[in-house]
Amino acid sequence: KQEVTQIPAALSVPEGENLVLNCSFTDSAIYNLQWFRQDPGKGLTSLLLIQSSQREQTSGRLNASLDKSSGRSTLYIAASQPGDSATYLCAVPPSGGSNYKLTFGKGTLLTVNP
Amino acid sequence: DVKVTQSSRYLVKRTGEKVFLECVQDMDHENMFWYRQDPGLGLRLIYFSYDVKMKEKGDIPEGYSVSREKKERFSLILESASTNQTSMYLCASIPSVAGGTDTQYFGPGTRLTVL
Repeated sequence: KQEVTQIPAALSVPEGENLVLNCSFTDSAIYNLQWFRQDPGKGLTSLLLIQSSQREQTSGRLNASLDKSSGRSTLYIAASQPGDSATYLCAVPPSGGSNYKLTFGKGTLLTVNP
Repeated sequence: DVKVTQSSRYLVKRTGEKVFLECVQDMDHENMFWYRQDPGLGLRLIYFSYDVKMKEKGDIPEGYSVSREKKERFSLILESASTNQTSMYLCASIPSVAGGTDTQYFGPGTRLTVL
């Protein structure tokens, strides 16, 4: 059974700092890996989706990397801003399977202090 | 932009009541999901629907049922609400589950409290 772990559970940084969020998964036979953002009391918003054939994806100040062999992904946030404060979750589909039954990590709660 | 809406942001019900949570998506997606999210447990899949009138159990279907009579609408039903069903409920949809290139689009969530 796929397990997804995110470390750290919470992170507090001053504004302007570059930071890395980590995600690890136990079964490396995945189609893709997704990163989501969740603001307090709200739904999830997709940030980046990395397909298994890709090594990284970029969107603005966000860069996500994927190393399937080691079962790891990182989300790099450059020049952090208070508006980046949220919970960040990673998710993977079942190995060899479809995209529907995602396994989510418990998330990293990020606080960017002005 | 894809829009997934949920009928209520906050809901308070009594133990034993029958509760309906509604979800509507406006992008003709085939697949829709219901999750619940609890502190320390993360997101867990309750039910999944891959077509009208078609459904599949997720990881925690006990105490819940679903209905999908129209493509755009997916309802979660708590037949007899209990206090342990107090949670944040999230609906999501995705165009296709094949290919691994599509992401799930989430609604804003319904915070349900059962007293």
